[in-house]
Amino acid sequence: DTAVSQTPKYLVTQMGNDKSIKCEQNLGHDTMYWYKQDSKKFLKIMFSYNNKELIINETVPNRFSPKSPDKAHLNLHINSLELGDSAVYFCASSQGPGTSDYNEQFFGPGTRLTVL
Amino acid sequence: QQQVKQSPQSLIVQKGGISIINCAYENTAFDYFPWYQQFPGKGPALLIAIRPDVSEKKEGRFTISFNKSAKQFSLHIMDSQPGDSATYFCAALISSGSARQLTFGSGTQLTVLP
Repeated sequence: DTAVSQTPKYLVTQMGNDKSIKCEQNLGHDTMYWYKQDSKKFLKIMFSYNNKELIINETVPNRFSPKSPDKAHLNLHINSLELGDSAVYFCASSQGPGTSDYNEQFFGPGTRLTVL
Repeated sequence: QQQVKQSPQSLIVQKGGISIINCAYENTAFDYFPWYQQFPGKGPALLIAIRPDVSEKKEGRFTISFNKSAKQFSLHIMDSQPGDSATYFCAALISSGSARQLTFGSGTQLTVLP
């Protein structure tokens, strides 16, 4: 029943490895996002996709590559993991622009990534 | 560059008291101001949101006060309850084409004592 789901919930890996986080939403939304929450709980947007098209790409290292196979899925692949990548990564979704006044973003439960 | 500044970083309130969290923004292009609530181990969830042409919005015990000229807005939680203990984030939305970008404040850890 979870509206926005992410897998895995926890990810522990060594420096230099490549890992992926998957996100799915069953809300019928057109727009999906990836956020990073650091150890101080600061939340910052990384990417946004609207109808599978990348529309927001913040200053994120090229090692991070989002992929949206369809409107309901947005995956995040991270190459050559570094210690500084340790954080909680949240996926979110919202209705497309123009559908309502404020397009509430619904967040997933997060994936805690620990790089050793 | 922190476009949305939030204070205090932490707040302790007695049950039944009023919790007040303040935010200030710089970019006048922001067109919506939501507040999100986050419990430990969970994702943020929308609490209440306000447009910049409205000075106040109330939903139950939660009220946003908005001062456009001062570029400040605040969240008031009346009759605070232990179940309100969480981290609160103010945010500001900027719309550009099909993009809807949220910029978050740094968060306030609220503890309501029983």
